Parts: sequence; structure tokens; C-alpha cells
Amino acid sequence: GESVGLHLPTLSVQEGDNSIINCAYSNSASDYFIWYKQESGKGPQFIIDIRSNMDKRQGQRVTVLLNKTVKHLSLQIAATQPGDSAVYFCAESAGGTSYGKLTFGQGTILTVHP
Amino acid sequence: NAGVTQTPKFRILKIGQSMTLQCTQDMNHNYMYWYRQDPGMGLKLIYYSVGAGITDKGEVPNGYNVSRSTTEDFPLRLELAAPSQTSVYFCASSLIKDEQYFGPGTRLTVT
Repeated sequence: GESVGLHLPTLSVQEGDNSIINCAYSNSASDYFIWYKQESGKGPQFIIDIRSNMDKRQGQRVTVLLNKTVKHLSLQIAATQPGDSAVYFCAESAGGTSYGKLTFGQGTILTVHP
Repeated sequence: NAGVTQTPKFRILKIGQSMTLQCTQDMNHNYMYWYRQDPGMGLKLIYYSVGAGITDKGEVPNGYNVSRSTTEDFPLRLELAAPSQTSVYFCASSLIKDEQYFGPGTRLTVT
């Protein structure tokens, strides 16, 4: 089946730097994309989402970019803080009767050094 | 609101034993989901429900069963535990079909 995958499994940055986490997806029917943050021993926490009719969406310190031409999704975190250290997952959902079934990527480990 | 709660937090089972993982949400969400997460991997959907009395299989349903008798509860049943079911199990819920809220997880070991 089709799946969502990540280019980089680990990312290390210095505190204050900007972080970019990338994700490739293969299901052209996907119309909704989400980024989740998962801290050790906890469930995934919603960060930001974007629908396929948009190419950019901004939140607080985070921006998601969607490039449907190359089926690529990225999460940008501005002024990265030690508290941002976690595993970040992208997930995608196809429209119609998929009932919100999410397909998750493998995840990227983000480590922020003070 | 407590959000999504799961019990137990940890469990060790012997091969062939059965157990039920409990999941409750107090947000009046229609949609509920069970995922498993193996080490270093993303989440895979086991079963989902779009409302009380309605359930359907996800990507990896074999070895599991679910029921949804109320809006709040969505228990996951393992009938004959196998080592391949060693994983962390997450329950999630959503009001609309997209933004899902996750519980803290149940860490299950089958030996």
C-alpha cells in the first residue's frame, strides 16, 4: 500500500536555530496532512495541519509547507528550544470515506542542544 | 476534560493469555481509533469506529477485536496474545474525521 515516509531520521540543532523536518508522501489521493510531536513515553500531540488546497500554513513558531507537485511536506520550527526535542511524525489522510484513517511516517528525532 | 484516558499503563502477558485495553474519552467525539506503535516506527491503525455500534478494520486488525457500545468507550481485546503483539498501543478520538487526540498509551509485553 501507499505510505508516508521521512527523508531524515535524526536532526540535531542548537537552541535558537530554525529546524526543518521533511516528509515525502506517495498517495496522490491524500487531501489532509498533520504533524504530530511525540515526547518520550507520551502519545502523539497535534502540532499543525494543512489541507491539500493550501501550500502553506503558519502556527505559533511552526510553519507547514505542502508541495503537491513533488508530494513533499515540511515542518519548520522557528527559534528551536530544548523543549522541542521529540520525535516528529507526519501523517496523511485520504478524503472521502477514509473516516480519518491516518497513515503515519516513520518519524524524525529532533534533538535541540542548549 | 480529562481527554483520552487509557488503562492499564503497562502490562505483561504470557503467550496465549487474553486481555482488554480500555479507552475512554470525555469529549463527546464520534470517531475513535486504536493504533499500535512498534519501536522506532510510526503508528499503524488497528481498528476504528465512527460512532456507537459501528466499527471497522484498519491496517493491522489480525489478532484484535473491538466493540463500541457507548460514545465514550472503545475497548480493544486481545484473545490469544502472541509475542508479535508486543507494542505500545494508543487510543485516539476526534470530533471530525481529521484532528485526532491521543491517549498516553499502554505498553504491552508478551513473553
